[in-house]
Parts: sequence; C-alpha cells; structure tokens
Amino acid sequence: KQEVTQIPAALSVPEGENLVLNCSFTDSAIYNLQWFRQDPGKGLTSLLLIQSSQREQTSGRLNASLDKSSGRSTLYIAASQPGDSATYLCAVRGGSEKLVFGKGTKLTVNP
Amino acid sequence: GAVVSQHPSRVICKSGTSVKIECRSLDFQATTMFWYRQFPKQSLMLMATSNEGSKATYEQGVEKDKFLINHASLTLSTLTVTSAHPEDSSFYICSAMNAGYGYTFGSGTRLTVV
Repeated sequence: KQEVTQIPAALSVPEGENLVLNCSFTDSAIYNLQWFRQDPGKGLTSLLLIQSSQREQTSGRLNASLDKSSGRSTLYIAASQPGDSATYLCAVRGGSEKLVFGKGTKLTVNP
Repeated sequence: GAVVSQHPSRVICKSGTSVKIECRSLDFQATTMFWYRQFPKQSLMLMATSNEGSKATYEQGVEKDKFLINHASLTLSTLTVTSAHPEDSSFYICSAMNAGYGYTFGSGTRLTVV
C-alpha cells in the first residue's frame, strides 16, 4: 500500500528566503507525482506535475524534482513571499487513477 | 487549461434533508471524477470514484446510500448527501483528471448541517 510522507509538517520562514519541502513515498512504481497548494477553506491548486519519466519540472519560482528510485520528491520555492503562505500537498498516482496524498506542509512566510 | 467548477461553495441545511453538490469539468471531458472529504486540519480522504455512465466505486467505510453519486455526462458529476446529519458537516472537494494537466480540483463545498 502506497504511503506518502511530507516533512516538515509546518515551516515558518522570513520573506525572501529560499526553501525546500520534502515528500517521500514507499512504492516507487508511480505513474506521476503532483504538487498542490491549498489555501484555508479553498480547493487545491495544481502547481507542478512530474511524470514518472521526468526528473524535474519548473514553473516560475517553483521547481519540483523527482527521484523515483529513492521514492523522493522536493519542491523548491525561491525568494519566498507572504502570498506563498498555504498548505502544500504532495500526491502520487500509481497504477490506478487514485491519488495518494501526504498530510501536507503548512508554510508561513513572514513579512 | 483544465478547469473544474464546483457548486455550491457553501451550504447550510437542516438535519434530515438532502443536499446536492455539483462538479463540472468546463473545458475538457472527464470520464472519471473523484469525490473527497476533508476534515479540519487533515488531508483529503477519497470517498468515491465517479464513472460516467456507470455506478460509482466507493472506498471502504463510505456509505453509498448516504452519499449518492451520479455521473450522467462527461462533464458533470453530482454528490447528494442524503438525510444529512451534523456529523456529515465537512468540506467536500471533487476532482477530475485531464491528460497532460494531471488532476484538477474544484474549489470545494463547505457543508454545515444544523
């Protein structure tokens, strides 16, 4: 059974700092991995999608990497801003179409 | 892009009544949609997989007679919470998969049963 773990559970940083969020999964036989952002009381916004054959994806200040063999992914946020404050969720898709989510990292960027 | 619209965003209903939540894929067709439930400060819990033109597949422990799912078209899935009770109060989110975009989520529905 696939399990996804996100570390840390919470992170507080000053504005402008670069930061890394970690995601690990137990079964390396994944189809893809997706990073989401969730603001309080809102749905999920997709940030980056990495297919199993890819090593990384970039969008603006965000960079996500995938090391399938070791069961790890990282989300790198450059020059963090207060607007980046949210909960970040990592999810993997295996052979079925179901996503398995981590519990998320709550990020607070202080002005 | 891939957009999923979910309505209503908030609903308050009386105990014993039923509530319907709609999930629409606006710019793509979705043969499969997913319904999640989220408790405060917790991650998403998959409730069921909605398949166009066939019965939904429910996760273990989810009452299919309580949470009725209908996926009548390639762009619309509905979740009906029947005979709602206060313990059904929660945040419900739908999603659909679009090739190349991964999974797209609706904005969620906050259900409060009084």
